[in-house]
Amino acid sequence: QKEVEQDPGPLSVPEGAIVSLNCTYSNSAFQYFMWYRQYSRKGPELLMYTYSSGNKEDGRFTAQVDKSSKYISLFIRDSQPSDSATYLCAMSYNQAGTALIFGKGTTLSVSS
Amino acid sequence: EAGVAQSPRYKIIEKRQSVAFWCNPISGHATLYWYQQILGQGPKLLIQFQNNGVVDDSQLPKDRFSAERLKGVDSTLKIQPAKLEDSAVYLCASRGTGGTYEQYFGPGTRLTVT
Repeated sequence: QKEVEQDPGPLSVPEGAIVSLNCTYSNSAFQYFMWYRQYSRKGPELLMYTYSSGNKEDGRFTAQVDKSSKYISLFIRDSQPSDSATYLCAMSYNQAGTALIFGKGTTLSVSS
Repeated sequence: EAGVAQSPRYKIIEKRQSVAFWCNPISGHATLYWYQQILGQGPKLLIQFQNNGVVDDSQLPKDRFSAERLKGVDSTLKIQPAKLEDSAVYLCASRGTGGTYEQYFGPGTRLTVT
């Protein structure tokens, strides 16, 4: 079993839709949870960062962490064509700069 | 603030040849990472440096991969000899000191081994 599981999609939605992206993980030692966005031929860029369980909102993006279920989600409201990218969940054991463990990424396409 | 720079952006080599990638992190960032991203996969750590010392190289295939970070700034990742399964994007990331957690990624070097 991989440490981090993420459905690769692809996921296609019309503009304005609410998008839900998810990851599950097996190691309960993970404490820090992140979502990265990666456009084609570019490096990943950090979208959301959450510590432990709970919700965090930033504009159209909401990140949720449920440590009891080992499940994290990213919601995108009012999706835009510019949101079309690959979304990678990532996790780490501590904040001290240890390497991130990534999911495979979910490819999202938002059509206008 | 300038981002993480990587070169070359693309490289095509034949198997058994050698190749080197270069990374210049964000100025002042003490921690530098090299990740390998195979098509359809998430990035996987190859090696992590703190200044010019190695913190984690447990997933680096040391029989063919090597990396160095001279003077704690730029870094070079080398593959010798290359195999077909080394075809991937090699991403460099850097992280600042203090309480910051964010890793900043460069655009990557896309390697194709034929």
